[in-house]
Amino acid sequence: DQQVKQNSPSLSVQEGRISILNCDYTNSMFDYFLWYKKYPAEGPTFLISISSIKDKNEDGRFTVFLNKSAKHLSLHIVPSQPGDSAVYFCAASASGSARQLTFGSGTQLTVLP
Amino acid sequence: DADVTQTPRNRITKTGKRIMLECSQTKGHDRMYWYRQDPGLGLRLIYYSFDVKDINKGEISDGYSVSRQAQAKFSLSLESAIPNQTALYFCATSDRLSGTVFSGELFFGEGSRLTVL
Repeated sequence: DQQVKQNSPSLSVQEGRISILNCDYTNSMFDYFLWYKKYPAEGPTFLISISSIKDKNEDGRFTVFLNKSAKHLSLHIVPSQPGDSAVYFCAASASGSARQLTFGSGTQLTVLP
Repeated sequence: DADVTQTPRNRITKTGKRIMLECSQTKGHDRMYWYRQDPGLGLRLIYYSFDVKDINKGEISDGYSVSRQAQAKFSLSLESAIPNQTALYFCATSDRLSGTVFSGELFFGEGSRLTVL
């Protein structure tokens, strides 16, 4: 049973518009959440993270929102650029688990010029 | 040069063969990991090591073994490969936790694509 779920395998957005990628989790022990981006033929790279003590973290065009009561987080990219086209993985970890990351299945974002 | 290097990048082998995937890193990190990526399943942890003498099973360790030859080297072996081990394999590293600070950041290699016929 997947503890971190990304229910949208793909998302297409027009350049300049907002991209919203969603992630749900089931394990209430998760207290740290991350987003990774992956281009073809490359390894995933860290994008942004958020601790459960916060509900928002912003880094340039990227903002992650956390709704603990709904066990939901989202990544907003504004404005979207063609170079943002990649697979985005949501990941989560819990204290006491040696901080292992549990990954979602990924969402392929395509930003159309 | 990449900070986390995986070899080989691509490998095709036959059922029953022994295969080894190697990973080396120049980041000076203590922690190393092996993940596999399958379509629709994301990244799943196979094994991880917090130092040379510390090896731990991950979510899907059956059919795999690892060796931490040095701080910078962590290899993954399939003793007798089977077709459902066809996947993209990633090595990753992370720095040790500093007190309660957790960056969560893993540094990944470029991946090793393994096909078992």
